[in-house]
Amino acid sequence: KQEVTQIPAALSVPEGENLVLNCSFTDSAIYNLQWFRQDPGKGLTSLLLIQSSQREQTSGRLNASLDKSSGRSTLYIAASQPGDSATYLCAVIGGKLIFGQGTELSVKP
Amino acid sequence: EAGVAQSPRYKIIEKRQSVAFWCNPISGHATLYWYQQILGQGPKLLIQFQNNGVVDDSQLPKDRFSAERLKGVDSTLKIQPAKLEDSAVYLCASSLQITSGSNEQFFGPGTRLTVL
Repeated sequence: KQEVTQIPAALSVPEGENLVLNCSFTDSAIYNLQWFRQDPGKGLTSLLLIQSSQREQTSGRLNASLDKSSGRSTLYIAASQPGDSATYLCAVIGGKLIFGQGTELSVKP
Repeated sequence: EAGVAQSPRYKIIEKRQSVAFWCNPISGHATLYWYQQILGQGPKLLIQFQNNGVVDDSQLPKDRFSAERLKGVDSTLKIQPAKLEDSAVYLCASSLQITSGSNEQFFGPGTRLTVL
């Protein structure tokens, strides 16, 4: 049974810092991995999708990597801003989407 | 391109009452998903449709939850009767098709249900 774990559960950083969010999964037989952002009271916004044949994807200040063999993915956020404050969820796609519990990020001005 | 639409956005009911949620996926998306997200947790898949057929409903509490997608487009999720532990955000998502290479899912804004 696939299990997805995100560490840390919460993170608070000062504005301008670079940061890394971690996601691990137990079953490497996945199609893709997707990172989402969720603002309080809102739905999920897709940030990056990494296909199983890829090792990383970049969008603006965001970079996501995928290492299937070790069951890990990281989301790197460069030069963090207060507007980045949200919950970040990773999900593995192996027939169905299995989510981690999320990392709540707070970027202080 | 319009996104996934859901209504209502918020609903407050008392336990043992019934409630229904509606979802309209992105046009042309064959696959539709309903998720339950309890506060502080990641979303959990309740049911997955491919067109108007059920692909996976293994985590749907069938004694009280039901869902349908009769014409293969929009969908309704019903809870009857509701329990306190059903308080959660109910998210609808859609994707082009289950067998597509990326299977990227697009989410609606969700319906926040509070059961008193």
